[in-house]
Amino acid sequence: DTGVSQDPRHKITKRGQNVTFRCDPISEHNRLYWYRQTLGQGPEFLTYFQNEAQLEKSRLLSDRFSAERPKGSFSTLEIQRTEQGDSAMYLCASSSLQGNTEAFFGQGTRLTVV
Amino acid sequence: GEDVEQSLFLSVREGDSSVINCTYTDSSSTYLYWYKQEPGAGLQLLTYIFSNMDMKQDQRLTVLLNKKDKHLSLRIADTQTGDSAIYFCAETGGSGTYKYIFGTGTRLKVLA
Repeated sequence: DTGVSQDPRHKITKRGQNVTFRCDPISEHNRLYWYRQTLGQGPEFLTYFQNEAQLEKSRLLSDRFSAERPKGSFSTLEIQRTEQGDSAMYLCASSSLQGNTEAFFGQGTRLTVV
Repeated sequence: GEDVEQSLFLSVREGDSSVINCTYTDSSSTYLYWYKQEPGAGLQLLTYIFSNMDMKQDQRLTVLLNKKDKHLSLRIADTQTGDSAIYFCAETGGSGTYKYIFGTGTRLKVLA
């Protein structure tokens, strides 16, 4: 297993454009998480899935953000009409339902909105 | 409410012990974690502790949990320059949710 994989690693986009990121979790993991991290801050929770069900979404999350996990495997995070304030590192993590549920993180997608 | 706080910076000399502290507010948290993040990299899980434990040792790492005071610490013995990074504590399982709540991170600088 290669761990949690995110694509792309870097994305530069113009303000107002839509972007989509992909996350492939560790294969046997049921839970998948999206976080956002800006410079000097800890990861901020966005949303998480258990299998294909989106169980929780941050109240801080604008309706320009949407996430899907249609078959309970990979997930996509889409940001519509990007703004400069969306510039951040977007992190994906996955965990198992069994055991102590520790989450393993991918390398992240760095988004720059110009 | 959910909140996790850490001091921002810690500087130690190589070979000394480092102690990184964290406080949290959700008394129903079930697991507490320590993650390490090096520049430009993702988060690496270092260790965790279940809420019914008060100590866990894993090689050079010792985690202490004071559940009454909602205080978590990470001790790194014989700190090396390769330990220089940002360390995040996180909690999960509180209030029936499995999301992780992270602190703002402690930047550890190890001086040679």
